[in-house]
Amino acid sequence: KAGVTQTPRYLIKTRGQQVTLSCSPISGHRSVSWYQQTPGQGLQFLFEYFSETQRNKGNFPGRFSGRQFSNSRSEMNVSTLELGDSALYLCASSLTGGRGETQYFGPGTRLLVL
Amino acid sequence: GDSVTQMEGPVTLSEEAFLTINCTYTATGYPSLFWYVQYPGEGLQLLLKATKADDKGSNKGFEATYRKETTSFHLEKGSVQVSDSAVYFCALKNAGGTSYGKLTFGQGTILTVHP
Repeated sequence: KAGVTQTPRYLIKTRGQQVTLSCSPISGHRSVSWYQQTPGQGLQFLFEYFSETQRNKGNFPGRFSGRQFSNSRSEMNVSTLELGDSALYLCASSLTGGRGETQYFGPGTRLLVL
Repeated sequence: GDSVTQMEGPVTLSEEAFLTINCTYTATGYPSLFWYVQYPGEGLQLLLKATKADDKGSNKGFEATYRKETTSFHLEKGSVQVSDSAVYFCALKNAGGTSYGKLTFGQGTILTVHP
């Protein structure tokens, strides 16, 4: 079974621009979660989608948004980029997002904001 | 809210040494507990997990036991190898509501193993 894939792997943007990141979950997985990883803040939860609906959201400003398509693929968007948005963005999928389920992570998209 | 605390790193060991990375948690409800590993330039990989008290998760020589009474999930390995050098994350996942799809992570522990 193919793993979680994320595109692009690397991105360089300038302040004020916007960016869209894509995530394809493992086949059959309907829950997709997004995380931001930085050296200072560690791994922080952004949001989770299930069956095209956002079920959960972390403590991030409204510039961070996402969506999920009917095939469970997900995108996240960051508008009006700030220098502090430079991070590794990780996507993870699981069957339903339940308590005991393993989340499988993609390789991440490394975003650099100049 | 939920939180996970890992021992401060980095941890530097010689090959074949014994490894312990401490992890304690605070959570409402009854979470599942996980250890993930991250190699340089990669995403996170599940190392092991436990979903109820006294469960022992194990994989590749690593073990951790879910201790509800001490709210701990310490990672151990009897004999580390150079290839175990990575960053290790302890995490918890609660049930329902504001926990859907959300792993809460510790700050990570960098492990370096020398030959």
